[in-house]
Amino acid sequence: DGGITQSPKYLFRKEGQNVTLSCEQNLNHDAMYWYRQDPGQGLRLIYYSQIVNDFQKGDIAEGYSVSREKKESFPLTVTSAQKNPTAFYLCASSTDLGSGEQFFGPGTRLTVL
Amino acid sequence: GENVEQHPSTLSVQEGDSAVIKCTYSDSASNYFPWYKQELGKRPQLIIDIRSNVGEKKDQRIAVTLNKTAKHFSLHITETQPEDSAVYFCACNTGGFKTIFGAGTRLFVKA
Repeated sequence: DGGITQSPKYLFRKEGQNVTLSCEQNLNHDAMYWYRQDPGQGLRLIYYSQIVNDFQKGDIAEGYSVSREKKESFPLTVTSAQKNPTAFYLCASSTDLGSGEQFFGPGTRLTVL
Repeated sequence: GENVEQHPSTLSVQEGDSAVIKCTYSDSASNYFPWYKQELGKRPQLIIDIRSNVGEKKDQRIAVTLNKTAKHFSLHITETQPEDSAVYFCACNTGGFKTIFGAGTRLFVKA
């Protein structure tokens, strides 16, 4: 089940700590995305990247940071500035155009203790 | 700003019946409308999509219809089966990198 992977599957964080969620894809996709999913809500865009060394804020970027040093990798850091970080985080990728299928990773469930 | 409203939030049907989920969007420049299915604890996966130059698309038991004038599109599932039970998300895209998702519909198919 290759394609796009995320790790870890579950992550626990103490308040005040930064944590980094991993996302890797071997689909040769240029575009990558991070979404947050909360119960009863749709997928909300945190950050997206069109190409290596470029990324843009989505709708709820506050308290999050990303990097895109390699085409295959798009890690997300949840900082202590994020006031309500407990959620399910999904990474996705797509070909260079936005109007096409997005392929999602299996997700990381982050819980703040 | 851009918005997608999805109804109903929960839908319960008897096995073999049809299910219909409706979405409306605000940005008239939207030209791509995918539907994703997310089973419990799993990743969302594309099940069908439609582009703005087409009014209807069908794939076996699922179909999507698009009314660009009214800015709404719908997912139709016929002959529902228990394995259709999942959360379904509609979405729309204007051709850029941002896809707007609806809040999701939780479909229960009772055997």
